[in-house]
Amino acid sequence: DSGVTQTPKHLITATGQRVTLRCSPRSGDLSVYWYQQSLDQGLQFLIQYYNGEERAKGNILERFSAQQFPDLHSELNLSSLELGDSALYFCASSPATLAGGAGELFFGEGSRLTVL
Amino acid sequence: DQQVKQNSPSLSVQEGRISILNCDYTNSMFDYFLWYKKYPAEGPTFLISISSIKDKNEDGRFTVFLNKSAKHLSLHIVPSQPGDSAVYFCAAELMNYGGSQGNLIFGKGTKLSVKP
Repeated sequence: DSGVTQTPKHLITATGQRVTLRCSPRSGDLSVYWYQQSLDQGLQFLIQYYNGEERAKGNILERFSAQQFPDLHSELNLSSLELGDSALYFCASSPATLAGGAGELFFGEGSRLTVL
Repeated sequence: DQQVKQNSPSLSVQEGRISILNCDYTNSMFDYFLWYKKYPAEGPTFLISISSIKDKNEDGRFTVFLNKSAKHLSLHIVPSQPGDSAVYFCAAELMNYGGSQGNLIFGKGTKLSVKP
C-alpha cells in the first residue's frame, strides 16, 4: 500500500461526458502528479502540483484540468470525453520538493476510465 | 518525440539467471534516472535510482548502470526470481527551475517473465 488513494477505481461513461478523478496523497506529501497510461503506452505525464500551485505541465489536453486543494487532495477533470481518452489515470505523490531529490514518486492504484 | 525509450516490450529469463533490461534516452540534461516495477492492477513502485553523476548503483539483487556517453542505462537483476515477473519502467527526471524535484518521463515498459 503506497498510501496514495485514488477514486473511483473504475469508471464507465459515454463520449461527450465529463468526469472527475480524485486523489489523496500520502500524509505529508505536498506534491501531486497525474499520469495517463493508454494501451501500449508508457506513463504520460499530465500535470504536477506542489502545495496547491501548478508546478509543471506535460501533454495535458485543453479538455482536461486539475487542481490541488488546501487539504492537498487533487482532482483531475476530464471533459468532452472521447473514445481515445479511455486509459488508466495514475496519481502519484512525493514529499516536499527537495533540491537534489531522487524523484521517487508513490503511485496510487489508478482509475480506469472507459469511454463508450 | 519519445525522450525515454525501452525498445524491448518483453523479456523472458530462467529463474536464477541474470535479467538485463535496457533503456535509452535522448535528453542529456536529465538529472536522475529511476526504475519502477509494476504488477497487474497495482500502481508502479519505485525500485532503484541513479544520479546522472554516477555510473553504477547497487541495491541487493538490483544494479543500475548508466552510460552517459551512450545515453543508455540498464537494470540488472541477479539472480532473477519468479516474483520479479512484472512490467519494468525506466524513467528520467528533469529538475525544476531552482533545483527542486520535477516530473518523471517514463518509457513504455518491458514485461519481464521469470520462469521457474
